Amino acid sequence: GENVEQHPSTLSVQEGDSAVIKCTYSDSASNYFPWYKQELGKRPQLIIDIRSNVGEKKDQRIAVTLNKTAKHFSLHITETQPEDSAVYFCAAGDTGRRALTFGSGTRLQVQP
Amino acid sequence: EPEVTQTPSHQVTQMGQEVILRCVPISNHLYFYWYRQILGQKVEFLVSFYNNEISEKSEIFDDQFSVERPDGSNFTLKIRSTKLEDSAMYFCASSEEAREQYFGPGTRLTVT
Repeated sequence: GENVEQHPSTLSVQEGDSAVIKCTYSDSASNYFPWYKQELGKRPQLIIDIRSNVGEKKDQRIAVTLNKTAKHFSLHITETQPEDSAVYFCAAGDTGRRALTFGSGTRLQVQP
Repeated sequence: EPEVTQTPSHQVTQMGQEVILRCVPISNHLYFYWYRQILGQKVEFLVSFYNNEISEKSEIFDDQFSVERPDGSNFTLKIRSTKLEDSAMYFCASSEEAREQYFGPGTRLTVT
């Protein structure tokens, strides 16, 4: 089955700096890669996703890149703000299987 | 904006008891999922449901688990005989297609 590795497990940045979280996946059949933000005690919230026919996608301060050959994808947050502090999960899935396999999460702390 | 809802928010039960967790997916969504998250760990897939039948299940989803869509709005997860290790946050999710999955707020299940 699919295996998703995520790092770093924790990341501390100063407000205004950029943050990068990286994930690798194992199943070449995976073609859908969402990112979820989870604040303490809250639901995972979909923040951005990318499909395998696209190499990069941006939405305001967040962007995701995908390298299908290397089987890795990354989340980039620019101009970080304290409200970006949360646990971020990457995931991988495919339209055939529908189940999402999650990474182990990155706790991002943005220091004011 | 429509959201997935779940009840109860917290369920405490004794080992060996049956529990039913309830979810109301977003109304025009056709795919439904259950995931669980043990405290401090990654989100794990349990089961997906489409067209009134299970489309995929994980190794976690053994014979003590079952899902049902008893009417046009509810989607339930039943655990027949709970074990201590079933203690976790259980998330329901739904999607319009087999891609963007939106999560509910979760039910925290505590088995004593």
